[in-house]
Parts: sequence; structure tokens; C-alpha cells
Amino acid sequence: NAGVTQTPKFRVLKTGQSMTLLCAQDMNHEYMYWYRQDPGMGLRLIHYSVGEGTTAKGEVPDGYNVSRLKKQNFLLGLESAAPSQTSVYFCASVRGGRGADTQYFGPGTRLTVL
Amino acid sequence: AQKVTQAQTEISVVEKEDVTLDCVYETRDTTYYLFWYKQPPSGELVFLIRRNSFDEQNEISGRYSWNFQKSTSSFNFTITASQVVDSAVYFCALRGGFQKLVFGTGTRLLVSP
Repeated sequence: NAGVTQTPKFRVLKTGQSMTLLCAQDMNHEYMYWYRQDPGMGLRLIHYSVGEGTTAKGEVPDGYNVSRLKKQNFLLGLESAAPSQTSVYFCASVRGGRGADTQYFGPGTRLTVL
Repeated sequence: AQKVTQAQTEISVVEKEDVTLDCVYETRDTTYYLFWYKQPPSGELVFLIRRNSFDEQNEISGRYSWNFQKSTSSFNFTITASQVVDSAVYFCALRGGFQKLVFGTGTRLLVSP
């Protein structure tokens, strides 16, 4: 049981390049999330998904796209990276429903855009 | 709108001192949930506690304790007899719709020997 995994762990991009971050969970969780963490700003929600085939915008969605083609995977895409997207990205998942279950976080991806 | 405020950006203590991390929240929901997470220097997020709005009892877990007061919309976290291993960034968070988390900006705790 690996929990929540993220690929890659580190990445350096040049402005304008594209990339996809992969999040995978093996806990059969319905809900998945992408957050970004910036110094002094805590974690902010980018996009989230409440089930396979569904996605929704969070607090800071601009410049990102997501897809949830399979229940266990949640992909975050940057079509044209900008220096403002330099950040640490965390994926999380939770069982789902009306409760307040513990969100399980991945180890994070540190992205630098030059 | 929901909001979490952690006014203390950084706290420095000497080992064995007690330290309290403050968390103030805003929500219009009558039922809500609050969380504390720890982020050690290695970077991962570690879940510490979840508390729902129905339960105002203080919680104690070893050297950790939490004081939840609805009257002041606060959910403060106290570490008793701090240790160097407690050095980390601590986040308070409020659950929103679809179990999204709204985080505070975090408090960095530095415990020196």
C-alpha cells in the first residue's frame, strides 16, 4: 500500500515548456486534489476531482489543466510554464462523502520554471 | 467565505519550553471541521488532528494538546516540553465543501537545543 505517490519529485522547466505531473493513489479514494505551496502563503487549491471523469476549479486554477480518466490517477498539466508557477505541488486524496476524513498527501513535486 | 489565520509567522524556543501556536478561523457553516498538519524539514505533510465543531473538549496526545474554543473561533495547538524534532512548519486548516481544505499560512517553529 503506497498511499499517494507523485511523479516526478523534482523538475526544472524553461518558460513556455509544458509538462504533466502525475498523482496516483491506491486507497480507492473518490476525491483528489492538487495544491500548490508557496513561501508565506500556505497551501492553495488548484483543481480538484470528486470522481472519475469529473474535475473542478479551486482557488488558483489559471495556467493549469487537470484530468481524471482513471479513479486512481489525477494529472496536473502546465501547457506553457511561467516563472510564477515555480512552487511545490502537493496531491492529496480522501475517501469522499459528506464527512471530514483525513486527507492523505503525496510527498510533493518541486517545480522550478526559469 | 472560509478563512484561516495563523498570525505567528515564526516562533523560536529553547528545548523544553512550552509553545502555543495560534489558529483563528472564519466560517458561516454550523458544522465544520478543523485540522492541524505538520511539515517537517523533509517536506511531507503529516496529519496531526481533526476536530469537529460539535466537540469542544480539549484533546491531549502525549506532549501535544489542542484547545478548541468556538466562542473565539480559535483552535490553538500547544507543545509541552518542546524538542528539537518538533521543529517544523505547522498548518491549521478548515474543511470546505467536497472536503477541500483551506489552509492558514503556517507557523514555522524552531526549537534549539
